[in-house]
Parts: sequence; C-alpha cells; structure tokens
Amino acid sequence: KQEVTQIPAALSVPEGENLVLNCSFTDSAIYNLQWFRQDPGKGLTSLLLIQSSQREQTSGRLNASLDKSSGRSTLYIAASQPGDSATYLCAVDNTDKLIFGTGTRLQVFP
Amino acid sequence: NAGVTQTPKFQVLKTGQSMTLQCAQDMNHEYMSWYRQDPGMGLRLIHYSVGAGITDQGEVPNGYNVSRSTTEDFPLRLLSAAPSQTSVYFCASSYGPPNTEAFFGQGTRLTVV
Repeated sequence: KQEVTQIPAALSVPEGENLVLNCSFTDSAIYNLQWFRQDPGKGLTSLLLIQSSQREQTSGRLNASLDKSSGRSTLYIAASQPGDSATYLCAVDNTDKLIFGTGTRLQVFP
Repeated sequence: NAGVTQTPKFQVLKTGQSMTLQCAQDMNHEYMSWYRQDPGMGLRLIHYSVGAGITDQGEVPNGYNVSRSTTEDFPLRLLSAAPSQTSVYFCASSYGPPNTEAFFGQGTRLTVV
C-alpha cells in the first residue's frame, strides 16, 4: 500500500529564506507526482506536476525534484514571501487516483 | 472559466438524514474523484470514476454512493449521515493519462449533528 510522508509538518521562517519541503513515498511505481498549495478554508491549487520520467519541474520561484528510485521529492521555494504562507501537499499519482501526504504548514513572517 | 464547481459550500445535517453533494466540471475531463479531508489525516479517496458509467471505490467508501451518468457531473450521496462523516469534501478532475494533472473544487464543509 502506497504511503506518503511529508516532513516537516510545520515550518515558520522569516521572509527571504530559501526553503525545502520534503515528500517521501513507499512505492516507486508511480505515474507522476503533484505538489499542491492549500490556503485556509480553500481548495487545492496545483503548483507543479512531475512526470515519472522527469527529474524536476520549475515554475517561477518554485522548483520540484523527483527521485523515483529513492521514493523522494522535494519542493524548493526561493526567496520566500509572506504570501507563500499556506499548507503544501504532495500527492503521488497511480494514474487513476492520488495518494496524499498530510502536508507541511508553512508560515513566512515579515 | 468555472473549472470544478462544488455545491453546497456549507451544510449541516442531522444524523440519519441523506443528501447529495454536487460536483460539476466544464473541462471535458474523463477522470473525477471525491476526497474527504480530516485534521491530521490528510485527504483520503472516497470514490473515483475514469469515465461516464464507470465508478470504483477508494480508501474510505462506506456510507457513500456515487454515479457518473455524464462526463460533467459526479455527485456524491450520503445515504444516512453519521457524525463520523463530518468533514470537508473535495471533488477533483483530470483528463487522465498521459495528462493527469488534477484540479480541485473549493470544497463542501459538512457537519453532521
């Protein structure tokens, strides 16, 4: 059974820091991996999707990497801003369903 | 540019009542799914569908029914609400392989008293 773990569970940093959020999964037979952002009381917003054949994806200040063989993905946030404060979720995709981690709650203070 | 639309946004039910959570998408996505989100447990899959007329159970299907008569709609039915079904429910959709990027609705916050 696929299990997804995210570390740390919570993170509080000053504005401007570069951050690394971690996601690990137990079964490397995944189709892709997706990172989401969730603001309090809101739905999930897709940030980055990495196909299983890819090593990384970039969007603005965000960079996500994938190492399927070791069952790990990282989300790198450069030059963090207070607007980045949210919960970040990773999910592995077995083509027809997503298995989620429990998320990292990020707070960036001015 | 509606995307995935869920209704209602909030609902309070009494134990034993039934109701249907609505989910509609206008992106012509084949794949649709329902998740519930509970504190400390993340999002868990309830039911999913890979196309009209096809549904399957996820991790926590008990107490819920689904059907998929059209590509656009994927309603979730609570047969007899229980306090354990108090949760936030999310509907998601995607094209399916090879483009499985998922898009989520804004959620339905359900309280069963």
